[in-house]
Amino acid sequence: AQSVTQLGSHVSVSEGALVLLRCNYSSSVSVYLFWYVQYPNQGLQLLLKYLSGSTLVESINGFEAEFNKSQTSFHLRKPSVHISDTAEYFCAVSDGAGANNLFFGTGTRLTVIP
Amino acid sequence: DAGVTQSPTHLIKTRGQHVTLRCSPISGHKSVSWYQQVLGQGPQFIFQYYEKEERGRGNFPDRFSARQFPNYSSELNVNALLLGDSALYLCASSLAGTNEKLFFGSGTQLSVL
Repeated sequence: AQSVTQLGSHVSVSEGALVLLRCNYSSSVSVYLFWYVQYPNQGLQLLLKYLSGSTLVESINGFEAEFNKSQTSFHLRKPSVHISDTAEYFCAVSDGAGANNLFFGTGTRLTVIP
Repeated sequence: DAGVTQSPTHLIKTRGQHVTLRCSPISGHKSVSWYQQVLGQGPQFIFQYYEKEERGRGNFPDRFSARQFPNYSSELNVNALLLGDSALYLCASSLAGTNEKLFFGSGTQLSVL
């Protein structure tokens, strides 16, 4: 089974600063990688995903993540965060096509300070 | 269109009781998955159903069971509740039986006393 490690359970940054949320997964032949975001009192929402192709994927609200196979990483970053980005972020992995479940990390709570 | 809806939103039970949680997927979605999220941890996979058949089961005891109905809604049942079953139970739906894009409900917060 896959395992996902997210370093840093809490991260606080000032509005406008760069943020980097780290995610590493256990190795596998092929994986699908995801970042989900959970705003207070809401369900998880898909932020971005890597299935194949370009290793750099972007979301519509300025987040990006890069798949690094050699380092088994899928770190999430945003060059300039906004207060509305305050939420909990979960990295998840599945064993590629045909897999029926996701393995989630323990999450990183991001707080953006005005 | 309505998203994934779960009921109830909150539930309090005592040890040994039984609980049924309900989920309605997004219209047109044929797959429903259940996840358990214990406070401070990430969601953990319990079951996946697609076209009313179980397609996957996580590492949970037999006290946990589920089913999917002809209208693709789903129920999660937990028997003989333990204190450790206290968690947020999340339902997710997808168009097909893959994980490429899951839509999650807001969850049912279960407290076992």
